[in-house]
Amino acid sequence: EAGVAQSPRYKIIEKRQSVAFWCNPISGHATLYWYQQILGQGPKLLIQFQNNGVVDDSQLPKDRFSAERLKGVDSTLKIQPAKLEDSAVYLCASSSLDETECFGPGTRLLVL
Amino acid sequence: GDSVTQMEGPVTLSEEAFLTINCTYTATGYPSLFWYVQYPGEGLQLLLKATKADDKGSNKGFEATYRKETTSFHLEKGSVQVSDSAVYFCALSHPGNTPLVFGKGTRLSVIA
Repeated sequence: EAGVAQSPRYKIIEKRQSVAFWCNPISGHATLYWYQQILGQGPKLLIQFQNNGVVDDSQLPKDRFSAERLKGVDSTLKIQPAKLEDSAVYLCASSSLDETECFGPGTRLLVL
Repeated sequence: GDSVTQMEGPVTLSEEAFLTINCTYTATGYPSLFWYVQYPGEGLQLLLKATKADDKGSNKGFEATYRKETTSFHLEKGSVQVSDSAVYFCALSHPGNTPLVFGKGTRLSVIA
């Protein structure tokens, strides 16, 4: 089966600009996660979707980050405006009921 | 809240050496425990997992045993190869599609 797809793979922007990342989960996976992985640290959850509903967004900086999962399939994560500290790898993962999460290759963001 | 603590890296070993990467956790209840591996330029891949106390997960010569009495899940391999060079993450989650909580990761370099 095809894995989790993410795009773009790399993005360089200047601070205060906006950026969007896209994720296509494994077919049939109802649960989708976005994680932020800062250099030298483990991934940290930003938001979790179950189908097209938000399960947990308690760690999402809602003043600048937003995410949606229209139709319960693809998802988009947006940052507006970006700050220097947003430089990180953004990982998307998906899972079916009680199954282990599968991760995409990630989008590496550099904010200058 | 839940947390995972891994030994600090980097770890540098010669080929065929024995590997141990320590991992301890703090969590309520009975979480599942995981080791993920991240090869250079790639996404996170599940290496092995254990879902209950005394379970041993194993894959590709790596193994780890779920020790509830010491809240540990140490990763071991009897003879490492250059191709094992990567960053290893210990993680936990609770049943029911809850997100993963990761340690900071341990970078392993194996030299020929």
